[in-house]
Amino acid sequence: DQQVKQNSPSLSVQEGRISILNCDYTNSMFDYFLWYKKYPAEGPTFLISISSIKDKNEDGRFTVFLNKSAKHLSLHIVPSQPGDSAVYFCAASTGFNKFYFGSGTKLNVKP
Amino acid sequence: DTGVSQNPRHKITKRGQNVTFRCDPISEHNRLYWYRQTLGQGPEFLTYFQNEAQLEKSRLLSDRFSAERPKGSFSTLEIQRTEQGDSAMYLCASSPPGLADTDTQYFGPGTRLTVL
Repeated sequence: DQQVKQNSPSLSVQEGRISILNCDYTNSMFDYFLWYKKYPAEGPTFLISISSIKDKNEDGRFTVFLNKSAKHLSLHIVPSQPGDSAVYFCAASTGFNKFYFGSGTKLNVKP
Repeated sequence: DTGVSQNPRHKITKRGQNVTFRCDPISEHNRLYWYRQTLGQGPEFLTYFQNEAQLEKSRLLSDRFSAERPKGSFSTLEIQRTEQGDSAMYLCASSPPGLADTDTQYFGPGTRLTVL
């Protein structure tokens, strides 16, 4: 029942460069997508979201892109900072009743 | 209000014992979710409450698991006859009513369960 997949378990990026994290999903009924950031020993922290009626949403250094035809979601972080180093999860939902999470991508931003 | 709180933060128990976890959501939030997370995986949905009504329940929630939210505020998750496979982080999250673009789930710090 892996409806949301993050195929890259890890990503390493130089400080100041762009980080691109990817997420694929299989259920065309998903209408809301979110990205979370997680540090060890803490619960996930919300970063940014996008509804299925949009294809882009920006919030400061973070931009989420949604390609519905490809069932693909990406998170861009520009410029990347060492404090961005964490595990990033994408999640998808229909109507906020049930959320499906990917397995996460561990981002390492090198100084 | 300081966010979603969960108690206890850590629980070690012996196989076959029952355990209960508590979640206190953000006060105005009528939606409450429970998840389970194991090492290297993302959170797995367990159940969803809207006010006191349990509206969604995962197949993962076997008959040994039960969740309640009796007055639509705090929630409890009980695991009966624990097994070693139940060892995981149990996360609670809450959301406000409505489906605005800015709505999201706010997660608590989790309860780490270790079954010996």
